[in-house]
Amino acid sequence: SQTIHQWPATLVQPVGSPLSLECTVEGTSNPNLYWYRQAAGRGLQLLFYSVGIGQISSEVPQNLSASRPQDRQFILSSKKLLLSDSGFYLCAWSKGTADTGELFFGEGSRLTVL
Amino acid sequence: AQSVTQLGSHVSVSEGALVLLRCNYSSSVPPYLFWYVQYPNQGLQLLLKYTTGATLVKGINGFEAEFKKSETSFHLTKPSAHMSDAAEYFCAVSDGNKLIFGTGTLLAVQP
Repeated sequence: SQTIHQWPATLVQPVGSPLSLECTVEGTSNPNLYWYRQAAGRGLQLLFYSVGIGQISSEVPQNLSASRPQDRQFILSSKKLLLSDSGFYLCAWSKGTADTGELFFGEGSRLTVL
Repeated sequence: AQSVTQLGSHVSVSEGALVLLRCNYSSSVPPYLFWYVQYPNQGLQLLLKYTTGATLVKGINGFEAEFKKSETSFHLTKPSAHMSDAAEYFCAVSDGNKLIFGTGTLLAVQP
């Protein structure tokens, strides 16, 4: 069966510090991978998605970047965090473009920037 | 571009009462539609999905939704609410490789 892991689960970072959130999927190959951010009252905002190694699509201009160094690994990064980067970050995967697009989510990473 | 609108950011029902969470979509192509549930500090879990075929879709935990093309709606219902249904619910529509989510509806269940 497929599983998705993301870490860390919680982190508190000062403004201006770097960020690295990691996500790994097991039990499937060549998944589509996604990073969403959830802020209070704003639903889920798609930040990045990837359909293959090294292929990243950015949905919104922002202070963040994403990378996919391996088939089942997706990393969200920032060089200098802003207060507005606080939120609940969710990694997800799907089976690919031929499927219905159903997403399978990780447990989330809560980031607080102070 | 595809989008979804969830009417009512907060809904409160009594235990045993009908649950109705509203979702309207906008799509230029036949849509795939989804309802997800999120419990506090957790990821999202799929409740049900509509792809093709039968327009009444049954999901987990007694929830169901009906795809109504004429109304561009995909409302989520459950005949009798349980305390464990208290959570946030998200409607979503497929857009190529992506899912576009609504802003969510927080369901409270009163004893």
